[in-house]
Amino acid sequence: IAGITQAPTSQILAAGRRMTLRCTQDMRHNAMYWYRQDLGLGLRLIHYSNTAGTTGKGEVPDGYSVSRANTDDFPLTLASAVPSQTSVYFCASSDSGGRGYNEQFFGPGTRLTVL
Amino acid sequence: GQNIDQPTEMTATEGAIVQINCTYQTSGFNGLFWYQQHAGEAPTFLSYNVLDGLEEKGRFSSFLSRSKGYSYLLLKELQMKDSASYLCAVRDSNYQLIWGAGTKLIIKP
Repeated sequence: IAGITQAPTSQILAAGRRMTLRCTQDMRHNAMYWYRQDLGLGLRLIHYSNTAGTTGKGEVPDGYSVSRANTDDFPLTLASAVPSQTSVYFCASSDSGGRGYNEQFFGPGTRLTVL
Repeated sequence: GQNIDQPTEMTATEGAIVQINCTYQTSGFNGLFWYQQHAGEAPTFLSYNVLDGLEEKGRFSSFLSRSKGYSYLLLKELQMKDSASYLCAVRDSNYQLIWGAGTKLIIKP
């Protein structure tokens, strides 16, 4: 593994189903983030984690949950998917909680369609 | 509320220079980032400004004026591979990034 990986690459999901998007980084970064990107809108923060064992809500957290059991993994779960959750989901990580110069590094994204 | 404004789309010619502007209104300021995003790919980091002035990095430069809530990204000697979206993001008082919708740059031969 080099950098950040996400799985699956894409998924078509029936409304009401539960889905977990996986994210793993091997850079030993403290902070991790989940964003969604929709056409015409900027990246919007769903949830974040400044360090293993802690999580926080971003701008659009409703309908999503996260956990951070260790430094490397930060899964995002949709408990009961709805069509408005159709989007491209990006996981990102950064060192030291994103303070100072530390830029965010992004995974390749998961394209999710909810029907 | 928090707001980041960028032009939706710009067109430029190969070999020329283009300036992409970004204005922001955020709750606090802890730095401004520019990212490049090719279609279907992840954003990648280009530049970071926290103090007023110009930061130069090869063909790309980024300028910041905190008093005006303004930044621009300057791309010189444009190449076809520079066709991409350019995202402006501001780190707010909570140290979270607030993102603009991005500027799609089209390079013509």
